[in-house]
Amino acid sequence: GDSVTQMEGPVTLSEEAFLTINCTYTATGYPSLFWYVQYPGEGLQLLLKATKADDKGSNKGFEATYRKETTSFHLEKGSVQVSDSAVYFCALSGYNFNKFYFGSGTKLNVKP
Amino acid sequence: KAGVTQTPRYLIKTRGQQVTLSCSPISGHRSVSWYQQTPGQGLQFLFEYFSETQRNKGNFPGRFSGRQFSNSRSEMNVSTLELGDSALYLCASSWDAVGGETEAFFGQGTRLTVV
Repeated sequence: GDSVTQMEGPVTLSEEAFLTINCTYTATGYPSLFWYVQYPGEGLQLLLKATKADDKGSNKGFEATYRKETTSFHLEKGSVQVSDSAVYFCALSGYNFNKFYFGSGTKLNVKP
Repeated sequence: KAGVTQTPRYLIKTRGQQVTLSCSPISGHRSVSWYQQTPGQGLQFLFEYFSETQRNKGNFPGRFSGRQFSNSRSEMNVSTLELGDSALYLCASSWDAVGGETEAFFGQGTRLTVV
């Protein structure tokens, strides 16, 4: 069945460091891929998405490219800020468009 | 445009009781999904309702049920509560689109604690 695997956390970085959070997926067909972010005590907010191979999603300095050949959707940001501290979830939506499969989440701590 | 509204935000219940959680989707969205979030199991899909019909279902026992009203508002019910049902319950609303052009908008969740 469909599934998402993302790197274990927590990830601790200094401000202005480069961020990569790895995400790989297993799915039949051609899923849409998403990154969601969750701040303490809050629900999930969509960070970015990509709906087909080679698409690049981007938002607020974060980027991820849909790589079908490696079944990956790694999240990157060139210079993190303290305000980026949160839990990041990789997700896919497959044939059942409104049923999402989430990774386990990666907690990011950014220190000043 | 108002977001997804979940009520109540916090609940404390006793084992064996039942509980009902409510979700009001974004105006115009007809799909409502429910997820359970726990530290051990992460985010798990419970079920999805579209136009008052359950369209997708996850792997949860029959104690977990839901419904959707004609105005797209949804409720989920958990009967005979167990300690393991303590979790953050998230509701997400979506428009129904083809070709993968969809995204889920989440509410802030209802934090259920079973004691």
